[in-house]
Amino acid sequence: DADVTQTPRNRITKTGKRIMLECSQTKGHDRMYWYRQDPGLGLRLIYYSFDVKDINKGEISDGYSVSRQAQAKFSLSLESAIPNQTALYFCATSDSRGYEQYFGPGTRLTVT
Amino acid sequence: GENVEQHPSTLSVQEGDSAVIKCTYSDSASNYFPWYKQELGKRPQLIIDIRSNVGEKKDQRIAVTLNKTAKHFSLHITETQPEDSAVYFCGGGLGGYQKVTFGTGTKLQVIP
Repeated sequence: DADVTQTPRNRITKTGKRIMLECSQTKGHDRMYWYRQDPGLGLRLIYYSFDVKDINKGEISDGYSVSRQAQAKFSLSLESAIPNQTALYFCATSDSRGYEQYFGPGTRLTVT
Repeated sequence: GENVEQHPSTLSVQEGDSAVIKCTYSDSASNYFPWYKQELGKRPQLIIDIRSNVGEKKDQRIAVTLNKTAKHFSLHITETQPEDSAVYFCGGGLGGYQKVTFGTGTKLQVIP
């Protein structure tokens, strides 16, 4: 589904570095989400945004920040990366009814 | 907030047999329960969802049942095929108004 894209797709970084993951969508959806996926822990919500002026913390927001630059763009930042932030990160979108979520292809982040 | 528990974490079945994955939720106000399938190396995709105004929903070989009194719901896959092998996530929440909380996932292996 090329309607939701993420960059980069893979990234290796060192402890203490700042890193930004970007998400763009062409679906025209208002709602955007950032999740991390770890083996055995499923999909955990980091931040979500119901429109450009609305940003909300999810269940695991510590160590992360986000920016909603436009309806179509939602970025996730790790201000000072640590090894336990090594994970697969997914961006997702949904329309204003908030039902089906459309996921991006994921970004595999490794912090050494 | 909502807490969704999912069992089993892994499930192996012979091709042609049925598979059942169960989830429980904690918030009696939740009214939307989606199921996502994630094939190896791919993004999660919605396969079926159910809202609390119905007790069962079917789509070809997959069905979902919901017991609001007991606060649990299940995914049933009949006549399993090798292409059903994937990780399945259940979710629960107030659809349309709030975020969905996901379970920890079930890795289904269909043995030919």
